[in-house]
Amino acid sequence: GEDVEQSLFLSVREGDSSVINCTYTDSSSTYLYWYKQEPGAGLQLLTYIFSNMDMKQDQRLTVLLNKKDKHLSLRIADTQTGDSAIYFCAEKKPGANNLFFGTGTRLTVIP
Amino acid sequence: DARVTQTPRHKVTEMGQEVTMRCQPILGHNTVFWYRQTMMQGLELLAYFRNRAPLDDSGMPKDRFSAEMPDATLATLKIQPSEPRDSAVYFCASGLPLTSGGTDTQYFGPGTRLTVL
Repeated sequence: GEDVEQSLFLSVREGDSSVINCTYTDSSSTYLYWYKQEPGAGLQLLTYIFSNMDMKQDQRLTVLLNKKDKHLSLRIADTQTGDSAIYFCAEKKPGANNLFFGTGTRLTVIP
Repeated sequence: DARVTQTPRHKVTEMGQEVTMRCQPILGHNTVFWYRQTMMQGLELLAYFRNRAPLDDSGMPKDRFSAEMPDATLATLKIQPSEPRDSAVYFCASGLPLTSGGTDTQYFGPGTRLTVL
């Protein structure tokens, strides 16, 4: 596809794990990113993964990368109400100056 | 704690007025991006600078938008004349590309929420 694709909405209960999925466009993309945007705020970099890695873990966050399927996922363990936000995945294509963003997934954490 | 700063955070203006938005990139970053975020279009790249030189402004309406970097610590985005359809949140981001020893990661400012009446 031409666009980075994400589901628009995800709801989970507090304490459960959240998995946000993303399909990107270019199997040659060098870096893949996850950003978090809280209401009224800018995009905050959560984590990124280099394309030669399959997995990256950072505290409650786990990023999985499947290059064959161009699939990226973000798992948030023990999801808290403070995790409610919009999560954007983005890819850095070779030769491109900018990042290409998905539409964002709005995560709602139910107490 | 280094971060990108943007001013103003909010701007309400009337159609036809000039709007200037400012951004201070993170010290040492040599790339600056301007994005626009709307509900309908999501995040759109407007312009991109490297070492203060504009490399790509194809996403910007040329007749009314202009972007400059007077120096390494200041980037500006101007709209003249502004129109209601320009209402959006405008983000500035800075970074250090792989070719400059960075990771291509972009760090975003808090944005300027523009409302044109």
